[in-house]
Amino acid sequence: DAKTTQPTSMDCAEGRAANLPCNHSTISGNEYVYWYRQIHSQGPQYIIHGLKNNETNEMASLIITEDRKSSTLILPHATLRDTAVYYCIVRVPSGTYKYIFGTGTRLKVLA
Amino acid sequence: ETGVTQTPRHLVMGMTNKKSLKCEQHLGHNAMYWYKQSAKKPLELMFVYNFKEQTENNSVPSRFSPECPNSSHLFLHLHTLQPEDSALYLCASSHLGTGGGEQFFGPGTRLTVL
Repeated sequence: DAKTTQPTSMDCAEGRAANLPCNHSTISGNEYVYWYRQIHSQGPQYIIHGLKNNETNEMASLIITEDRKSSTLILPHATLRDTAVYYCIVRVPSGTYKYIFGTGTRLKVLA
Repeated sequence: ETGVTQTPRHLVMGMTNKKSLKCEQHLGHNAMYWYKQSAKKPLELMFVYNFKEQTENNSVPSRFSPECPNSSHLFLHLHTLQPEDSALYLCASSHLGTGGGEQFFGPGTRLTVL
């Protein structure tokens, strides 16, 4: 699986958009980008995933660059409850669906 | 119960004890996973079960013994653990085949080994 690079931490004002970047410069053509988050000491929560088109769901939007070497997770109106560690993972959607988690980005939403 | 449940939520055990962690998924998935998360470290995949068959063992010491009697239940049997095994143990499930294959995690068991 491709390696991902994320900033260690970020702050965001409540109500503003939180933009979390992820670099995955060695991604292969059939590898998807997945985003999860982990609120303190809970199990990770699936947010969104995509291959090459931008994706949006009720939680967030995922913007993937045309060359697919990086992506950005957007939380459009961050709330205090969005404070968490956000993980960007790339993997092939076949086989045992093995994820390799990095250290993620610790997002702190400020009141 | 919905989603992925884990019991117990907290466990304290001595190094000579034997205990088991239980995971149950109510999502109709066919793959289940055990992860370990030590303090200040990323999640580490331990075991993967695909249709009850173990397909991955990530060099986990034999003092951890998984069991998957059916596609809804997963156990992690623990014996003669070490203090460094203290961690959050997370179970997850997913559907293999068509679709995104996203994993759904349980709340975890916080294990302390004395």
